[in-house]
Amino acid sequence: GAVVSQHPSWVICKSGTSVKIECRSLDFQATTMFWYRQFPKQSLMLMATSNEGSKATYEQGVEKDKFLINHASLTLSTLTVTSAHPEDSSFYICSAIFTSGSKNTQYFGPGTRLTVL
Amino acid sequence: GEDVEQSLFLSVREGDSSVINCTYTDSSSTYLYWYKQEPGAGLQLLTYIFSNMDMKQDQRLTVLLNKKDKHLSLRIADTQTGDSAIYFCAEKDTGRRALTFGSGTRLQVQP
Repeated sequence: GAVVSQHPSWVICKSGTSVKIECRSLDFQATTMFWYRQFPKQSLMLMATSNEGSKATYEQGVEKDKFLINHASLTLSTLTVTSAHPEDSSFYICSAIFTSGSKNTQYFGPGTRLTVL
Repeated sequence: GEDVEQSLFLSVREGDSSVINCTYTDSSSTYLYWYKQEPGAGLQLLTYIFSNMDMKQDQRLTVLLNKKDKHLSLRIADTQTGDSAIYFCAEKDTGRRALTFGSGTRLQVQP
């Protein structure tokens, strides 16, 4: 099946620093990837839609200058959390759309746990 | 906007059947999904159903969809301790490619 990886799987950083998270589709090309955030014991909330070769589309309430998304190739999207603060600590999950014929299936990465001290 | 709701917790004994329920509000949902999340891990797609179907069975999993009532259920037959996890239902409508998730149901399987 289609595989999506994320790197790193967990990261601890100091307040004020920036952290980059990578999302890769390993065995397929994805023109569309999504970034979700999950707080403890809560559901996944969509942050933004990452489109290859164009600007990301952010959900209402998500600061685009704080969460920078770059989808530079058909297999890689990156999320950079700039000037991270403790309230940014969360589980960040990406997904990629796998297209087969007319069928689109969304596959999820294993997630990246960010802890900001 | 779209809303997807699930009960928060379900406890069953090993070998029993588990039924996890989900309700949604979006009448233009095209696909409805069930995902499994184990502690500290990402989401694993279990199964999905197209909105014009009533039922889908895949080994121990049975999905029932009542489109009129906007109610989706996941039945796990012969539940095992390895089935303990959080189960999310999610829906996708024709206008969006992203999914809207429910709050998740924590399934605890007692040996």
